[in-house]
Amino acid sequence: QQQVKQSPQSLIVQKGGISIINCAYENTAFDYFPWYQQFPGKGPALLIAIRPDVSEKKEGRFTISFNKSAKQFSLHIMDSQPGDSATYFCAPVDSSYKLIFGSGTRLLVRP
Amino acid sequence: DTGVSQNPRHKITKRGQNVTFRCDPISEHNRLYWYRQTLGQGPEFLTYFQNEAQLEKSRLLSDRFSAERPKGSFSTLEIQRTEQGDSAMYLCASSLGKGTLKYEQYFGPGTRLTVT
Repeated sequence: QQQVKQSPQSLIVQKGGISIINCAYENTAFDYFPWYQQFPGKGPALLIAIRPDVSEKKEGRFTISFNKSAKQFSLHIMDSQPGDSATYFCAPVDSSYKLIFGSGTRLLVRP
Repeated sequence: DTGVSQNPRHKITKRGQNVTFRCDPISEHNRLYWYRQTLGQGPEFLTYFQNEAQLEKSRLLSDRFSAERPKGSFSTLEIQRTEQGDSAMYLCASSLGKGTLKYEQYFGPGTRLTVT
């Protein structure tokens, strides 16, 4: 079963633009909603995360928007930079604290 | 460097051989997770430990796979009689497992396994 659906699969943005990645989930028992960033040949790195009692969280150029009723959350990258080119995963946490990863979004930021 | 470390970083083996990977978590973290990532996909959960106890195993983890975490420190993942379908990146992550940071998992660089 696919508990987490992530879109788009790939995204090309010009430098300075806004990148938006979406994640829809089914399991209402998820209790923590992180985004991970992964560069080729590296392990995923925690980027930003939100708890379900908050609708938005901002850290620098990165913002998570969370819609509990719609069971969706999204990552917004403002002023996108070429160094942001990576694969992004939503990975909500289930009741045993394990991450359930989406299929990933490959972001390319063009100079 | 106090992050999660994994060894070896790369492993090439012939089908049918046994392989073992090691993960050293962040020292104060009591939870340790193993994930598998195939090309172009998100990581999939395999198993996790709280201290030395293995608390959950995915049905992805066939009988050929075994994991240990003796004394709640480092962990090993062994694959017996490897198959070509085992080719993947094997990722280890650790977390504090309690308090406000209990959900935050920190990943190692992974071990890339190629079965020929």
